[in-house]
Amino acid sequence: AQSVSQHNHHVILSEAASLELGCNYSYGGTVNLFWYVQYPGQHLQLLLKYFSGDPLVKGIKGFEAEFIKSKFSFNLRKPSVQWSDTAEYFCAVNGEDSSYKLIFGSGTRLLVRP
Amino acid sequence: DGGITQSPKYLFRKEGQNVTLSCEQNLNHDAMYWYRQDPGQGLRLIYYSQIVNDFQKGDIAEGYSVSREKKESFPLTVTSAQKNPTAFYLCASSIQDQPYNEQFFGPGTRLTVL
Repeated sequence: AQSVSQHNHHVILSEAASLELGCNYSYGGTVNLFWYVQYPGQHLQLLLKYFSGDPLVKGIKGFEAEFIKSKFSFNLRKPSVQWSDTAEYFCAVNGEDSSYKLIFGSGTRLLVRP
Repeated sequence: DGGITQSPKYLFRKEGQNVTLSCEQNLNHDAMYWYRQDPGQGLRLIYYSQIVNDFQKGDIAEGYSVSREKKESFPLTVTSAQKNPTAFYLCASSIQDQPYNEQFFGPGTRLTVL
């Protein structure tokens, strides 16, 4: 079955540290990839997406992600995190049997210490 | 403001009772979705609907039912057959006929079975 793996379940960083969250997916066909973020007490919202073109995608709040097809990866990065980046981050990929279905990873909880 | 509303925010239910969670959107989106979020498991798809009067089972549909009588509404019923209903439930919607499936999420309903 198709799956998405997020290997880091909990990450703790100090402000200004660099961030990289891993995401690997199992589907070998054409994919659309997403990172969603859930800030404490807020809606799940889209951080960035990839569906074609430049594999380096820039999103909101200084986040970026790189699609590496050969590694089935879509890692999320930010050069310098802030306390306000404390949130849970979810990677997702479209379902192989339907472009309307999204398969989500288990999430990574990021805590940024001031 | 356009968006997705879910009610109630918190819901308590006794074992053996059915309960219905509301989801309404005014984004004029064709597709709507229900997810269940459990700690450490990410989001899992319960049901989705691409058009009015049609819906498909997701990965964990057992013990749940839905209806889609209106474009803007997609209520979810958690039946007494659902063995472990305590969870956070998220509703989402998206536009059809786009090259990627960007989904917009509601604030969620936290269901607790007593």
